[in-house]
Amino acid sequence: NAGVMQNPRHLVRRRGQEARLRCSPMKGHSHVYWYRQLPEEGLKFMVYLQKENIIDESGMPKERFSAEFPKEGPSILRIQQVVRGDSAAYFCASSPSTGLNTEAFFGQGTRLTVV
Amino acid sequence: DQQVKQNSPSLSVQEGRISILNCDYTNSMFDYFLWYKKYPAEGPTFLISISSIKDKNEDGRFTVFLNKSAKHLSLHIVPSQPGDSAVYFCAALNTGTASKLTFGTGTRLQVTL
Repeated sequence: NAGVMQNPRHLVRRRGQEARLRCSPMKGHSHVYWYRQLPEEGLKFMVYLQKENIIDESGMPKERFSAEFPKEGPSILRIQQVVRGDSAAYFCASSPSTGLNTEAFFGQGTRLTVV
Repeated sequence: DQQVKQNSPSLSVQEGRISILNCDYTNSMFDYFLWYKKYPAEGPTFLISISSIKDKNEDGRFTVFLNKSAKHLSLHIVPSQPGDSAVYFCAALNTGTASKLTFGTGTRLQVTL
């Protein structure tokens, strides 16, 4: 049973370009979470999605960032017109359901570098 | 506003000894707590968790203690092994209203020979 798969592992973008980060959850998982880790900081929640629905996007910047989790295919985190401050590690996690005994499983992350 | 705090950025412990990692939180609505371990260039891996209705949870060499009145939890690793060297993140959850985890800034544990 493959774990949470994120690609690409590393992504370099010039300022002003678009970045697309993909996350395929574990088989049978219908909940996806995106977190961002800036250098020397902890992970910060960005957005929580279920299939075709955004449940909580309270941690996502209002501009330039968007996320989706379509009925078919991976979840996508999209950053338009990237700036240097977007350079970070972006982690996706998935879980089969929300609840006390459910621990989200994390992918290996995508390291975005904006030059 | 850092709701989950890990005030020790790093900790060095000798192999075989006990490692104690601490975590404090400010939000009294948190009722579930988790510890994650993270190696460089990898995602966090779940280690152990505890519900607020308990004050201790044990799994092998790992034990988590929760002191609700002090809003403090700790992770004990006994005995510490070189493979335990990693960054440890404390995370908290309000299971009633949200599924998002609030993470601390992490403690880098170095287990020396």
